[in-house]
Formats: sequence, C-alpha cells, structure tokens
Amino acid sequence: AQSVTQLDSHVSVSEGTPVLLRCNYSSSYSPSLFWYVQHPNKGLQLLLKYTSAATLVKGINGFEAEFKKSETSFHLTKPSAHMSDAAEYFCVVSGRGTGFQKLVFGTGTRLLVSP
Amino acid sequence: EPEVTQTPSHQVTQMGQEVILRCVPISNHLYFYWYRQILGQKVEFLVSFYNNEISEKSEIFDDQFSVERPDGSNFTLKIRSTKLEDSAMYFCASSPAGAPDTQYFGPGTRLTVL
Repeated sequence: AQSVTQLDSHVSVSEGTPVLLRCNYSSSYSPSLFWYVQHPNKGLQLLLKYTSAATLVKGINGFEAEFKKSETSFHLTKPSAHMSDAAEYFCVVSGRGTGFQKLVFGTGTRLLVSP
Repeated sequence: EPEVTQTPSHQVTQMGQEVILRCVPISNHLYFYWYRQILGQKVEFLVSFYNNEISEKSEIFDDQFSVERPDGSNFTLKIRSTKLEDSAMYFCASSPAGAPDTQYFGPGTRLTVL
C-alpha cells in the first residue's frame, strides 16, 4: 500500500525566512505526489503535483517541491514565508497501488508564521 | 476560477437520523469523490464516482452510505441512521477527464451528530 509520512506536525518560521515542510513516501509503484494547503475554515487547495515529468515542481504562491527517489522524499519549500502562508499543509500520494482515484493523505503539518 | 461548492457548511443532526450532504462539482469534471476528516485525524477517502456509478470505495463506505448524481450538476452523499462517530468534516472533490488524481476540493460540510 502507498503511504506518506509528514515528519513535523508543526513548523514555526518568521516572516521572510525560508519554509521547509518534510514528506517521505512509500510506494511500490511510481507515485503521483501532491501538496495541498488548508487555510482555516477553507477547503483543501491544490498547491502542486508531481507526475514524473520533472523532479522539481513549481506550484502556486511561490511554493515548490523536489521529488528525490533515492531518499523517497517530496519536501515542500518556499524561499520567503509570508503571513498568509500560515495554514495546514498535506502531503498526498496516489497511484497504481491505491487506485488512481484514491488520494492517501499524510497527517498534515501546521505552518505558523510570526511577524 | 471554477470551484467545487458544498452545502450546508454545517449540519447538526440527532443520532439515528438521515442526512444528505450536497456538492456541486466543477462543471466539466467527470470524476467525483467524497472524503472525510474526523477531528484530529487524517483525511480519508470514502468513495469515487464515474460514469454514474461507484468506481472505488473504502472499507468505511458501507451500506450506511450512498452517493447519487441526481442531475447534471449535483453530487450527494447520504448517510442513513447517523452515529456519533459519523461526526466529521466531509469534503467533496472532482477531477477532469484524463487526470482523475488531480482533485479539486470543496470547502467541506461539518457534520455534528448529537
């Protein structure tokens, strides 16, 4: 079965400093990997998607993620945090092992941004 | 930009009652889904729906649950005889033809069973 592990339940950064949210995946097949963001009282918004076309994936709002097969990682980064980035972030996997229609979510990382 | 919408945003019901959660997927999408998130737990897949039938469902999606696309725009989740443990946030999602795993989520319906 495919799964993802988000290594930090909370990450705190100061505005203007880099963001790193860590995710490791487990998959018997070539996975599709995603990052979603959930702002308070809002739905889940797709930030970016990896599907093997390129290992560095650029998403919305300045976020990007790098697929590293050797490390089974898909960490999310942003060079400079903004107050509006404070939210819950979910690493997600889908693929042949789960059925392409079923997304498997990580436990989430809450990003806190201080002024 | 098109969005998935869900109604109501919050539903309170008594244990044993039936509830219907409603969703309007993005108009040209062909795949539809329900997920739920119990407070403090992971987002869990419930069911996927394509071509007017269930294409995949989880172990959670037992006979208590059903889905329907009653017309060209709505997608509903019915929960019969609700239990306390059905209290959760329920998310609807849809995805376009050719990319079933690129799913766009609605804002969710918070279901509280008393």
